[in-house]
Parts: sequence; structure tokens; C-alpha cells
Amino acid sequence: RKEVEQDPGPFNVPEGATVAFNCTYSNSASQSFFWYRQDCRKEPKLLMSVYSSGNEDGRFTAQLNRASQYISLLIRDSKLSDSATYLCVVTSNAGKSTFGDGTTLTVKP
Amino acid sequence: DTGVSQDPRHKITKRGQNVTFRCDPISEHNRLYWYRQTLGQGPEFLTYFQNEAQLEKSRLLSDRFSAERPKGSFSTLEIQRTEQGDSAMYLCASSPPWAGEETQYFGPGTRLLVL
Repeated sequence: RKEVEQDPGPFNVPEGATVAFNCTYSNSASQSFFWYRQDCRKEPKLLMSVYSSGNEDGRFTAQLNRASQYISLLIRDSKLSDSATYLCVVTSNAGKSTFGDGTTLTVKP
Repeated sequence: DTGVSQDPRHKITKRGQNVTFRCDPISEHNRLYWYRQTLGQGPEFLTYFQNEAQLEKSRLLSDRFSAERPKGSFSTLEIQRTEQGDSAMYLCASSPPWAGEETQYFGPGTRLLVL
């Protein structure tokens, strides 16, 4: 079993749809959690950090459930420009970051 | 451009050759990471430096892979006796020293093809 597992995808949704991605992690001692976005043949870029209290940034909402070792990302009112691969990242207190394999989202007109 | 830079951007080599990649982090960033990424997979952690100290490394780095950051600024990743399975994108990232800031800023990567 992988340390960080994500929905296999791909997700194909129409513009304006709401889409949710899930991620589970196995290391209960994990300290920090993130969602990164990666466009085709580009480097990953931080989308948002994830906190236990939940956090929102415009159309994006991230949630962390430490008890269930589960992270989610919700995208509302999807735009064509949201098409990308979304990577769940879990960082240990030793500084090691483990990436999921990503979920691919395609938003269609 | 003050982002993370990597050199070369592309490398084609023959099996058995040694290759070395360079990463220049964002200035003032004391933490530096190396990852490897293949198609359809997320970045795979290789190693992590804080200043010049190598604090974490995957088991992969105990064999043909080695990384250095001698002066706490740029870093090099060397692969000895390359194999076809080493073909991948090698990503470098850096993050700043201030507390609570763990965002990793990635460079454009070095794409390696081993023939």
C-alpha cells in the first residue's frame, strides 16, 4: 500500500461543476499537508496548505481529518483553466514529503 | 528570474554513463529537495538538505545516486552507471527558513533519457 493514495481519476467535468478529490495517508505522525497542482509537462506548484480547521481560497476548499487520515479538495464552479493534475502531499516532521500519484481533472466547455 | 533553476533541462545519455545535474535554489532558501518523477506518478522523494546538511534520503540514494550541497547553496545530483530505468524527470525544490513556511518551490526539472 502506498503512503499517500489518491482517487485514481481521471475526472471529466463540465464547466461550472463542483468536483471533489480525496486523499488518504498511512503515517499517523505526518505533520503538514498540502495540495499541489501540476500542469502537463510542468513542475508542481502549491495550490493550498491544508489545516485541521479547514481552509478556503476562493473556489477551492481543503479539509483535513487527522483521525481518519484523510484529506480532501473541493473545487466549485470549475473553470477550463482548472484542468490539471492535483497532487496530495504529506510531510513528516523530519522534512520528508510524500506525494500521491495525482488525480487528473479535465474541465470541458 | 529569481525562481529555482536546474541545469541541464534535458539530458540524453547512454546506459552505463554517469550524469550530474545541478540545482540553484531561490536565494535565502535553506531547504532543498530532490525528487524523481515518471509519467503517471507523483514526484518520488530522493533527498532533503537543510543548509549543507543532508537530513533525509531515500534508500535509492544509497546505491548509484548521490547528492551534495557543499556550501549550502546550489546542489548536485549524480547518477552513476545509468540504467534505462533511470529515465525520468528530476525535480529540485527549495523552501524558506522561516517557521511555519513549508511551501516547496519547484524548478523546471531535468528530463533524463537513458538509451
